Amino acid sequence: DSGVTQTPKHLITATGQRVTLRCSPRSGDLSVYWYQQSLDQGLQFLIQYYNGEERAKGNILERFSAQQFPDLHSELNLSSLELGDSALYFCASSAGTSSGGLYTQYFGPGTRLTVL
Amino acid sequence: AQKVTQAQTEISVVEKEDVTLDCVYETRDTTYYLFWYKQPPSGELVFLIRRNSFDEQNEISGRYSWNFQKSTSSFNFTITASQVVDSAVYFCALSEAMEYGNKLVFGAGTILRVKS
Repeated sequence: DSGVTQTPKHLITATGQRVTLRCSPRSGDLSVYWYQQSLDQGLQFLIQYYNGEERAKGNILERFSAQQFPDLHSELNLSSLELGDSALYFCASSAGTSSGGLYTQYFGPGTRLTVL
Repeated sequence: AQKVTQAQTEISVVEKEDVTLDCVYETRDTTYYLFWYKQPPSGELVFLIRRNSFDEQNEISGRYSWNFQKSTSSFNFTITASQVVDSAVYFCALSEAMEYGNKLVFGAGTILRVKS
């Protein structure tokens, strides 16, 4: 158990809908990262927050947004869902942030999103 | 941009065999970090090891060992006396520095099947 929690574990929804994925980092970690794992794209970085501020952005779609709250939990919002958004979404946390990889990222169990 | 190549898509071995998973990376950074993660059938991503670019010493942890060779940009992972519980997808990852944060760049993963 990494200490990172994600809810829900599974989510099934329809095209055009909006969903929110939630992540609680390990105790004491200030950085939260979101990744998407799909069969065609593999594991792709979406976005990073550190202590409430956005720090790095990957190829995150405009329909997707995220935030980190004062209690350090994070939410990833996915809207106008398409079939291609079906994937496993991981949250990871690390103690701090740096321009390199000084801090190890520990991953949560993931949320499996199915868009029908 | 950083790139990680895991050329072996799938490897099958019989229990107790040794197996090596290859990882080749590309980076222009002089300081960087390399990681291995394990994704068992249950789906979570489990951190195995982190290695920085200045430490080329090989590392051993029980049946696991890692060989980092900067000259060939490789960070290979060997499992000695494999067991059925080692069956999983293994990902090699490289840290990529961004202006105010960082992300992990993952390889495509290697599926390891250990048969009894």
